[in-house]
Amino acid sequence: QSALTQPRSVSGSPGQSVAISCTGTTSDVGGYNYVSWYQQHPGKAPKLMIYDVIKRPSGVPDRFSGSKSGNTASLTISGLQAEDEADYYCSSNADRYTWVFGGGTKLTVL
Amino acid sequence: EVQLLESGGGLIQPGGSLRLSCAASGFSFSSHTMIWVRQAPGKGLEWVSSCGGDSRTTYYADSVKGRFAISRDNSKNTMFLQMSGLRAEDTALYFCSRKQFGVHTIDVWGQGTTVTVS
Repeated sequence: QSALTQPRSVSGSPGQSVAISCTGTTSDVGGYNYVSWYQQHPGKAPKLMIYDVIKRPSGVPDRFSGSKSGNTASLTISGLQAEDEADYYCSSNADRYTWVFGGGTKLTVL
Repeated sequence: EVQLLESGGGLIQPGGSLRLSCAASGFSFSSHTMIWVRQAPGKGLEWVSSCGGDSRTTYYADSVKGRFAISRDNSKNTMFLQMSGLRAEDTALYFCSRKQFGVHTIDVWGQGTTVTVS
């Protein structure tokens, strides 16, 4: 499986919105609604932010939202806050046992 | 509280072997597929291996197939990763993680254990 494609970096000012894209193929992102997004702060474990493309685990602010169109999924963060600065990874799990991750996107809050 | 605690990492010479452990607590361990994910220094996440709840279903990334073996002991709520034929490119932080029951996502992560092959 090839890694999903994410931009290396995105940035935004506090209060603004940013979107991070995640492009795959019809065998992963495009073929199933099983895209997840993870937030990782330096030296920390990843944290689940979005699953099944659009669903938010309890405790995740509704500023975080997910969507998908064709082979590309997106994570949108609205009302940017300083604590949102982190690395973000998308993943796809089509068959319950194997995962493919994106290369990661570094979000900078200006 | 749901917890995953990895151990067993360290410095190992190329070609050597190492066994990682992941101790789980706070949930019904045998009900969940468990997963190893690694992160090389300064790099992204890479899925390594998965083990179904009954231990019979195991999957490996091509990069480790034939060298790594995943297993679990449900009586001790522990998962293992036996690594052999280690290479410099296996150097990484190894995370133990849990697949959420009935959902195609990883919902719980340990803090990781570091493996350095040098």
